[in-house]
Amino acid sequence: AQSVTQLDSQVPVFEEAPVELRCNYSSSVSVYLFWYVQYPNQGLQLLLKYLSGSTLVKGINGFEAEFNKSQTSFHLRKPSVHISDTAEYFCAVSGTNFGNEKLTFGTGTRLTIIP
Amino acid sequence: KAGVTQTPRYLIKTRGQQVTLSCSPISGHRSVSWYQQTPGQGLQFLFEYFSETQRNKGNFPGRFSGRQFSNSRSEMNVSTLELGDSALYLCASSTLLAGPSYEQYFGPGTRLTVT
Repeated sequence: AQSVTQLDSQVPVFEEAPVELRCNYSSSVSVYLFWYVQYPNQGLQLLLKYLSGSTLVKGINGFEAEFNKSQTSFHLRKPSVHISDTAEYFCAVSGTNFGNEKLTFGTGTRLTIIP
Repeated sequence: KAGVTQTPRYLIKTRGQQVTLSCSPISGHRSVSWYQQTPGQGLQFLFEYFSETQRNKGNFPGRFSGRQFSNSRSEMNVSTLELGDSALYLCASSTLLAGPSYEQYFGPGTRLTVT
């Protein structure tokens, strides 16, 4: 079984400041890792993903995340946030084997950008 | 390429009724997954279909069912609706698991309100 913990339910950040959204996971098997963003009244949009290879992955909108296997973490970062980054962010994991692709999500972090 | 489409976008039903939601995946995607999103339980996996066969099922009662057609379009059905079924129902499509292009693409969701 897999689980995902997002420690911060809400994160307020001033515009143009850096931000880090934390994500830790637990799994007995290898996993793929994802960060999704959800804007109000919309579905989920993929920000970035880690499947294999380099542990530092870059995504859309200037976001990046680093996979740390020893700490079972996949924290999301952005060096300078904008008002348009206000949204809810979800970390998710899936298995790596055919037939085990279901996504297990964290509870989400609401990012609020303060002008 | 057109994205994942879900119909209807909004739905209001009465307790005890049944409802059918529809999802059209991205062209060429053969896997369709359904997720329920509520403020209390977050994002939870309902089931996944691949080539018209249910491959995975989440921990939901039998009132929740689904199917997939030969063109990969999928429907989910909820019978004997309860107030707690009020949620955003998200559909996601994907290609096969293996490979660096793997990810799940989400539709905008169907907002179901049960009164």
